[in-house]
Amino acid sequence: KQEVTQIPAALSVPEGENLVLNCSFTDSAIYNLQWFRQDPGKGLTSLLLIQSSQREQTSGRLNASLDKSSGRSTLYIAASQPGDSATYLCAVRSGSGTYKYIFGTGTRLKVLA
Amino acid sequence: DAMVIQNPRYQVTQFGKPVTLSCSQTLNHNVMYWYQQKSSQAPKLLFHYYDKDFNNEADTPDNFQSRRPNTSFCFLDIRSPGLGDAAMYLCATSTTGYEQYFGPGTRLTVT
Repeated sequence: KQEVTQIPAALSVPEGENLVLNCSFTDSAIYNLQWFRQDPGKGLTSLLLIQSSQREQTSGRLNASLDKSSGRSTLYIAASQPGDSATYLCAVRSGSGTYKYIFGTGTRLKVLA
Repeated sequence: DAMVIQNPRYQVTQFGKPVTLSCSQTLNHNVMYWYQQKSSQAPKLLFHYYDKDFNNEADTPDNFQSRRPNTSFCFLDIRSPGLGDAAMYLCATSTTGYEQYFGPGTRLTVT
């Protein structure tokens, strides 16, 4: 059974810092992995999707990497801003034949001005 | 342009009174999902559809049911809401190989 863990659960950094959020999964036979942002009381906004054949994806100040063999993905945020404050969630879709995603519990990020 | 729409955004119901939440999409995606999310927890998948093919999670209570009358619409029915069903309900869509898109959610309060 796939399990997804995100560490740390909460993180507070000063504005301008580069930071890394971690996502670990127990079954390396994944189809893809998606990173989301969630603002309080809101739905989820997709940030990046990495297919199982890819090593990384980039969008603006965000870079996500995937290492299937070690069961890890990282989300790198460059030059953090107060507007980046939110909860960041990763979700893993297991191997082909299922459309089901398993979510991690998220990292709550606060960027201090 | 709204792509995944959920109505209502806020729903208050009484203990035991049936309630229906709705989700519609303009993306023409063949997969639709319903998640339940409680405060500070990860979204928990309740069920998903691949076209009309319904997939129920083993731990989804029988109190929760779903309908998908066509590609665009999906409904979540809670037959007898309990206090423990108060949560944010999230609808999402996807298509083969591509990312999930989420709606804004419906926050359900049970009094």
